[in-house]
Amino acid sequence: EDKVVQSPLSLVVHEGDTVTLNCSYEVTNFRSLLWYKQEKKAPTFLFMLTSSGIEKKSGRLSSILDKKELSSILNITATQTGDSAIYLCAILPQGGSEKLVFGKGTKLTVNP
Amino acid sequence: EAGVAQSPRYKIIEKRQSVAFWCNPISGHATLYWYQQILGQGPKLLIQFQNNGVVDDSQLPKDRFSAERLKGVDSTLKIQPAKLEDSAVYLCASSPWTGSYEQYFGPGTRLTVT
Repeated sequence: EDKVVQSPLSLVVHEGDTVTLNCSYEVTNFRSLLWYKQEKKAPTFLFMLTSSGIEKKSGRLSSILDKKELSSILNITATQTGDSAIYLCAILPQGGSEKLVFGKGTKLTVNP
Repeated sequence: EAGVAQSPRYKIIEKRQSVAFWCNPISGHATLYWYQQILGQGPKLLIQFQNNGVVDDSQLPKDRFSAERLKGVDSTLKIQPAKLEDSAVYLCASSPWTGSYEQYFGPGTRLTVT
């Protein structure tokens, strides 16, 4: 069964700190790994990673995939209170219904 | 472009009652998903439609949950009868095609079963 494990489950930091969120996975046929940000209810798409070692970057957020280690990290630099959210990692397997399998998420709280 | 619409936003019912949720996907999106997100968990796929056909409903508790997507556009998800453990946020998402990573989520419906 495909599985996604995220760590830590929760994290509290101060504005300006840099954080690293971790995601590890087990999947039979890997296609992509995705990161979402969930602030209230609806997850919003951040990154999709398919190739190992290539960093995706958007402003203060960046992510990289390590296929050898079956893991990914999401970095947020110079955190702001608006970064407070649950960050979800999901894998999109290849074949079958190609449904997203989500981890439990990391709840990030950024205090002023 | 209008996003995914869901209603109601909140619903409180007693156990053994019935409830229905509605979703209107982004115009032109062929694939529609219903997810259940229990507090502290990631979203879990309940059912996936491609147009009006079911692609995957392996995790749908079919003894109490049902879903349909008539005419391949709007969809409804029903629970009958509800149990306490059904308390969750029900998220609807749509994507241009099956297997697309571009899943756009609606605001969700928070269901509380007492």
